Amino acid sequence: AQSVSQHNHHVILSEAASLELGCNYSYGGTVNLFWYVQYPGQHLQLLLKYFSGDPLVKGIKGFEAEFIKSKFSFNLRKPSVQWSDTAEYFCAVNEFSGGYQKVTFGTGTKLQVIP
Amino acid sequence: SAVISQKPSRDICQRGTSLTIQCQVDSQVTMMFWYRQQPGQSLTLIATANQGSEATYESGFVIDKFPISRPNLTFSTLTVSNMSPEDSSIYLCSVDSGRASPKTSTDTQYFGPGTRLTVL
Repeated sequence: AQSVSQHNHHVILSEAASLELGCNYSYGGTVNLFWYVQYPGQHLQLLLKYFSGDPLVKGIKGFEAEFIKSKFSFNLRKPSVQWSDTAEYFCAVNEFSGGYQKVTFGTGTKLQVIP
Repeated sequence: SAVISQKPSRDICQRGTSLTIQCQVDSQVTMMFWYRQQPGQSLTLIATANQGSEATYESGFVIDKFPISRPNLTFSTLTVSNMSPEDSSIYLCSVDSGRASPKTSTDTQYFGPGTRLTVL
Protein backbone atom coordinates (compact mmCIF):
# COMPACT_ATOMS: atom_id res chain seq x y z
CA ALA A 1 0.00 0.00 0.00
CA GLN A 2 1.01 3.53 -0.64
CA SER A 3 2.51 5.43 2.27
CA VAL A 4 3.58 9.04 2.59
CA SER A 5 6.09 10.17 5.20
CA GLN A 6 6.57 13.67 6.47
CA HIS A 7 9.52 13.60 8.79
CA ASN A 8 9.06 16.99 10.41
CA HIS A 9 5.99 17.09 12.61
CA HIS A 10 6.50 20.55 14.03
CA VAL A 11 8.83 23.23 12.68
CA ILE A 12 9.45 26.60 14.27
CA LEU A 13 11.18 29.29 12.23
CA SER A 14 11.82 32.98 12.50
CA GLU A 15 10.56 35.27 9.78
CA ALA A 16 12.87 35.42 6.74
CA ALA A 17 14.34 32.01 7.48
CA SER A 18 14.38 29.43 4.71
CA LEU A 19 12.03 26.47 4.82
CA GLU A 20 12.31 22.92 3.60
CA LEU A 21 9.73 20.29 4.52
CA GLY A 22 10.46 16.72 3.63
CA CYS A 23 8.06 14.30 1.96
CA ASN A 24 8.78 10.74 0.87
CA TYR A 25 6.40 8.23 -0.63
CA SER A 26 6.54 4.52 -1.21
CA TYR A 27 4.61 3.86 -4.44
CA GLY A 28 6.82 2.78 -7.33
CA GLY A 29 4.43 3.51 -10.16
CA THR A 30 3.33 6.73 -11.78
CA VAL A 31 2.22 9.26 -9.23
CA ASN A 32 0.87 12.73 -9.00
CA LEU A 33 2.19 14.72 -6.06
CA PHE A 34 0.64 17.54 -4.10
CA TRP A 35 1.25 19.85 -1.23
CA TYR A 36 -1.78 21.17 0.59
CA VAL A 37 -1.87 23.86 3.26
CA GLN A 38 -4.36 24.36 6.05
CA TYR A 39 -4.24 27.76 7.68
CA PRO A 40 -5.63 28.07 11.21
CA GLY A 41 -9.41 27.84 11.09
CA GLN A 42 -9.51 27.35 7.36
CA HIS A 43 -9.96 24.36 5.08
CA LEU A 44 -7.38 22.57 3.01
CA GLN A 45 -6.07 24.45 0.00
CA LEU A 46 -3.87 23.29 -2.84
CA LEU A 47 -0.41 24.83 -2.63
CA LEU A 48 1.19 23.18 -5.65
CA LYS A 49 1.16 19.99 -7.65
CA TYR A 50 3.37 17.87 -9.87
CA PHE A 51 2.01 15.73 -12.66
CA SER A 52 4.79 15.55 -15.23
CA GLY A 53 7.50 17.59 -16.91
CA ASP A 54 9.80 19.92 -15.03
CA PRO A 55 10.41 18.32 -11.63
CA LEU A 56 10.70 21.73 -10.01
CA VAL A 57 7.21 23.10 -9.58
CA LYS A 58 6.23 26.49 -8.35
CA GLY A 59 3.11 27.14 -6.37
CA ILE A 60 1.33 30.00 -4.75
CA LYS A 61 2.83 32.38 -2.22
CA GLY A 62 6.43 31.74 -3.24
CA PHE A 63 6.44 28.03 -2.46
CA GLU A 64 8.14 25.49 -4.68
CA ALA A 65 8.73 21.76 -4.56
CA GLU A 66 11.15 19.43 -6.29
CA PHE A 67 10.25 15.93 -7.39
CA ILE A 68 13.23 13.59 -7.19
CA LYS A 69 12.06 10.29 -8.59
CA SER A 70 15.16 8.34 -7.56
CA LYS A 71 14.63 9.37 -3.96
CA PHE A 72 10.82 9.09 -3.98
CA SER A 73 10.78 12.58 -2.57
CA PHE A 74 8.80 15.76 -3.08
CA ASN A 75 10.19 18.32 -0.66
CA LEU A 76 8.57 21.69 -0.19
CA ARG A 77 10.70 24.84 -0.04
CA LYS A 78 10.39 28.54 0.47
CA PRO A 79 13.43 30.82 0.59
CA SER A 80 12.03 33.29 3.11
CA VAL A 81 9.02 32.52 5.30
CA GLN A 82 6.55 35.02 6.65
CA TRP A 83 4.43 34.99 9.77
CA SER A 84 1.40 34.40 7.53
CA ASP A 85 2.88 31.05 6.47
CA THR A 86 2.03 29.65 9.90
CA ALA A 87 -0.12 26.65 9.00
CA GLU A 88 -0.16 22.90 8.68
CA TYR A 89 1.27 21.47 5.49
CA PHE A 90 0.28 18.11 4.04
CA CYS A 91 2.05 16.18 1.34
CA ALA A 92 -0.20 13.93 -0.73
CA VAL A 93 0.37 11.33 -3.39
CA ASN A 94 -2.20 10.26 -5.96
CA GLU A 95 -2.02 6.81 -7.48
CA PHE A 96 -4.15 5.45 -10.26
CA SER A 97 -5.05 1.83 -10.70
CA GLY A 98 -7.71 0.52 -13.05
CA GLY A 99 -9.42 3.87 -13.28
CA TYR A 100 -9.66 4.12 -9.53
CA GLN A 101 -7.97 7.09 -7.92
CA LYS A 102 -6.66 7.18 -4.39
CA VAL A 103 -4.91 10.01 -2.66
CA THR A 104 -2.81 9.22 0.39
CA PHE A 105 -1.87 12.02 2.75
CA GLY A 106 1.14 12.39 4.96
CA THR A 107 0.70 13.08 8.66
CA GLY A 108 1.28 16.79 8.21
CA THR A 109 3.85 19.29 9.40
CA LYS A 110 2.87 22.18 11.60
CA LEU A 111 4.87 25.26 10.75
CA GLN A 112 5.06 28.08 13.25
CA VAL A 113 6.71 31.27 12.08
CA ILE A 114 7.81 33.64 14.81
CA PRO A 115 7.75 37.35 13.95
CA SER B 1 -11.32 24.71 -9.42
CA ALA B 2 -14.53 23.70 -7.68
CA VAL B 3 -16.36 25.43 -4.88
CA ILE B 4 -17.56 22.97 -2.26
CA SER B 5 -19.93 23.56 0.61
CA GLN B 6 -20.77 21.26 3.48
CA LYS B 7 -23.61 21.17 5.94
CA PRO B 8 -23.57 21.24 8.87
CA SER B 9 -20.30 22.99 9.60
CA ARG B 10 -20.27 21.52 13.07
CA ASP B 11 -22.48 19.48 15.35
CA ILE B 12 -22.52 17.97 18.79
CA CYS B 13 -24.31 14.64 18.94
CA GLN B 14 -25.24 12.05 21.48
CA ARG B 15 -23.85 8.56 21.47
CA GLY B 16 -25.95 6.11 19.45
CA THR B 17 -27.47 8.69 17.14
CA SER B 18 -26.72 9.29 13.47
CA LEU B 19 -25.73 12.40 11.54
CA THR B 20 -25.95 13.02 7.82
CA ILE B 21 -23.45 15.40 6.28
CA GLN B 22 -24.21 17.05 2.97
CA CYS B 23 -21.71 18.05 0.32
CA GLN B 24 -22.64 20.35 -2.55
CA VAL B 25 -20.37 21.25 -5.48
CA ASP B 26 -20.86 24.16 -7.86
CA SER B 27 -20.05 22.07 -10.94
CA GLN B 28 -20.53 18.52 -12.16
CA VAL B 29 -17.81 16.18 -11.01
CA THR B 30 -17.17 12.52 -11.66
CA MET B 31 -15.79 11.45 -8.35
CA MET B 32 -16.39 12.66 -4.84
CA PHE B 33 -14.46 11.56 -1.81
CA TRP B 34 -15.12 11.51 1.89
CA TYR B 35 -12.26 11.86 4.35
CA ARG B 36 -11.93 11.86 8.09
CA GLN B 37 -9.40 13.95 9.97
CA GLN B 38 -9.20 12.88 13.57
CA PRO B 39 -7.69 15.22 16.15
CA GLY B 40 -3.97 15.58 15.61
CA GLN B 41 -3.93 13.21 12.67
CA SER B 42 -3.83 13.40 8.91
CA LEU B 43 -6.62 12.79 6.49
CA THR B 44 -7.88 9.27 6.02
CA LEU B 45 -9.97 8.35 3.01
CA ILE B 46 -13.28 6.79 4.00
CA ALA B 47 -14.76 6.11 0.60
CA THR B 48 -15.00 7.18 -3.01
CA ALA B 49 -18.44 7.99 -4.36
CA ASN B 50 -19.29 7.79 -8.04
CA GLN B 51 -22.64 8.89 -9.32
CA GLY B 52 -24.93 5.99 -10.09
CA SER B 53 -22.91 3.28 -8.38
CA GLU B 54 -22.13 1.99 -4.93
CA ALA B 55 -19.44 3.81 -3.02
CA THR B 56 -16.06 2.14 -2.71
CA TYR B 57 -14.93 1.91 0.91
CA GLU B 58 -11.39 1.84 2.17
CA SER B 59 -10.12 -0.77 4.56
CA GLY B 60 -11.53 -0.22 8.02
CA PHE B 61 -14.68 1.54 6.84
CA VAL B 62 -17.99 -0.19 6.12
CA ILE B 63 -21.22 0.85 4.49
CA ASP B 64 -23.34 0.08 7.54
CA LYS B 65 -21.39 2.58 9.59
CA PHE B 66 -20.84 5.20 6.88
CA PRO B 67 -23.59 4.95 4.26
CA ILE B 68 -23.04 7.29 1.34
CA SER B 69 -25.43 8.58 -1.27
CA ARG B 70 -24.51 10.13 -4.60
CA PRO B 71 -27.77 10.98 -6.34
CA ASN B 72 -26.29 13.30 -8.96
CA LEU B 73 -23.06 14.84 -10.19
CA THR B 74 -23.07 17.78 -7.78
CA PHE B 75 -24.21 16.31 -4.47
CA SER B 76 -23.34 13.60 -1.97
CA THR B 77 -24.15 12.72 1.62
CA LEU B 78 -22.22 10.81 4.25
CA THR B 79 -24.04 9.43 7.28
CA VAL B 80 -22.17 8.60 10.44
CA SER B 81 -24.34 5.93 12.06
CA ASN B 82 -24.66 4.79 15.64
CA MET B 83 -22.07 7.28 16.72
CA SER B 84 -19.58 6.85 19.53
CA PRO B 85 -17.04 9.32 20.93
CA GLU B 86 -14.39 7.71 18.70
CA ASP B 87 -16.26 9.14 15.72
CA SER B 88 -15.47 12.67 16.86
CA SER B 89 -13.57 14.08 13.95
CA ILE B 90 -13.63 16.49 11.05
CA TYR B 91 -15.32 14.98 8.03
CA LEU B 92 -14.27 16.39 4.69
CA CYS B 93 -15.81 16.17 1.29
CA SER B 94 -13.49 16.36 -1.67
CA VAL B 95 -13.91 16.36 -5.42
CA ASP B 96 -11.51 15.98 -8.27
CA SER B 97 -11.17 18.57 -10.96
CA GLY B 98 -12.20 16.20 -13.73
CA ARG B 99 -15.55 16.78 -15.32
CA ALA B 100 -18.17 14.08 -15.92
CA SER B 101 -15.94 12.20 -18.33
CA PRO B 102 -13.38 9.38 -18.24
CA LYS B 103 -10.71 10.17 -15.75
CA THR B 104 -7.32 11.47 -16.68
CA SER B 105 -4.20 11.61 -14.61
CA THR B 106 -4.19 15.37 -14.36
CA ASP B 107 -6.89 15.85 -11.80
CA THR B 108 -6.50 17.72 -8.57
CA GLN B 109 -8.63 17.25 -5.50
CA TYR B 110 -10.35 20.18 -3.89
CA PHE B 111 -11.71 20.12 -0.39
CA GLY B 112 -14.76 21.42 1.34
CA PRO B 113 -14.57 23.33 4.62
CA GLY B 114 -15.29 20.21 6.66
CA THR B 115 -17.84 19.23 9.28
CA ARG B 116 -16.58 19.19 12.83
CA LEU B 117 -18.39 16.43 14.71
CA THR B 118 -18.25 15.96 18.45
CA VAL B 119 -19.89 12.90 19.95
CA LEU B 120 -20.64 12.96 23.65
